[in-house]
Amino acid sequence: AQSVTQLDSQVPVFEEAPVELRCNYSSSVSVYLFWYVQYPNQGLQLLLKYLSGSTLVKGINGFEAEFNKSQTSFHLRKPSVHISDTAEYFCAVSAGFQKLVFGTGTRLLVSP
Amino acid sequence: DGGITQSPKYLFRKEGQNVTLSCEQNLNHDAMYWYRQDPGQGLRLIYYSQIVNDFQKGDIAEGYSVSREKKESFPLTVTSAQKNPTAFYLCASSSEGWGGPNTEAFFGQGTRLTVV
Repeated sequence: AQSVTQLDSQVPVFEEAPVELRCNYSSSVSVYLFWYVQYPNQGLQLLLKYLSGSTLVKGINGFEAEFNKSQTSFHLRKPSVHISDTAEYFCAVSAGFQKLVFGTGTRLLVSP
Repeated sequence: DGGITQSPKYLFRKEGQNVTLSCEQNLNHDAMYWYRQDPGQGLRLIYYSQIVNDFQKGDIAEGYSVSREKKESFPLTVTSAQKNPTAFYLCASSSEGWGGPNTEAFFGQGTRLTVV
């Protein structure tokens, strides 16, 4: 069965600084990978997804992620964050015909 | 606009009562899911349904029940057997079940259930 690890439970960063949120997964088969964002008391919104093809995936709100098969990682990056990016971010993996599995989330805190 | 609607947004339950959370989607999706979210634990799967009139238990199904009589509706009942029901509940749907490229899940806005 696949699993997802988000090592950082919280990432503080100053406005306009770059940020990277880390995600590692384990699976013995090909995977589909997703990043979701959740604002307080709301549902999850898809930021980006990797299905196949180019390993660099661009999403909404200026975010991008790179699929690295050898390191089994799918880290999320943004070159310059805004206060409005403060939210919780979830990495998720789907493999084979197994369920979509979510990480425990990383809270991004952007300060002025 | 297409989407998933969960109601109510906030729900209070007395101990020993059953409550039903509503989830409706107009995306024409085959698959629907219920997740429970607790602080620091991410999302845990309660039940899922890949087609009408069929559903399967997820990782934490005890104390919960569902039905899938219509494609667009997937209500969740939190029964009195659920020992710790206070949580944020999220409903989601996808155009196909797990394993295909269309496993992207679309989420509702959630229902926050509090036991009083």
